[in-house]
Amino acid sequence: DAMVIQNPRYQVTQFGKPVTLSCSQTLNHNVMYWYQQKSSQAPKLLFHYYDKDFNNEADTPDNFQSRRPNTSFCFLDIRSPGLGDAAMYLCATSRDVTSGSRRFFGPGTRLTVL
Amino acid sequence: AQSVTQPDIHITVSEGASLELRCNYSYGATPYLFWYVQSPGQGLQLLLKYFSGDTLVQGIKGFEAEFKRSQSSFNLRKPSVHWSDAAEYFCAVGAHDDYKLSFGAGTTVTVRA
Repeated sequence: DAMVIQNPRYQVTQFGKPVTLSCSQTLNHNVMYWYQQKSSQAPKLLFHYYDKDFNNEADTPDNFQSRRPNTSFCFLDIRSPGLGDAAMYLCATSRDVTSGSRRFFGPGTRLTVL
Repeated sequence: AQSVTQPDIHITVSEGASLELRCNYSYGATPYLFWYVQSPGQGLQLLLKYFSGDTLVQGIKGFEAEFKRSQSSFNLRKPSVHWSDAAEYFCAVGAHDDYKLSFGAGTTVTVRA
């Protein structure tokens, strides 16, 4: 089945230790998104790629970076995780970048920062 | 910018009873409206969407939602809930000329036997 896959599902890191979260898709979609979801809060868009074009949200901290080496893969790098970065990180894809284009979400990676 | 309010943080409903989840949005024109469901340990799954036309939209898993422009609402309903409907539900709004979806904070549904 075509899908959005996130690895790992659970990630534990230490305060200040860089961490990378992975997302892959078999849908061949042009757009890949990263959302941060804290407990009992709405998912918050961090950034997205339209093909190779990177689009950062204005309020996304510099601590968060992303890479998209090819259509299928996208990575979220947190350079120096703080306690406030503990959250669920959701990857999503869509065929195009309009808000009406259906998003397909992965299962998420739950990040714990010790 | 568009925004969404889900007034109910948590709803408990008996299996077989009806369910209604409220969603109010703020946007100047006719928005794109969505309902997503998130089961424990899972990503968000699209239940249904409204773009235009018939204001009552049918979705998967027996859900429906009604767009009411006068009330700026897009409430989700299900006539008879099943235990498997226990999950978190998110309403989202998008603008025609934008890429962003604005999500509500979610409503957690608990189903009791």
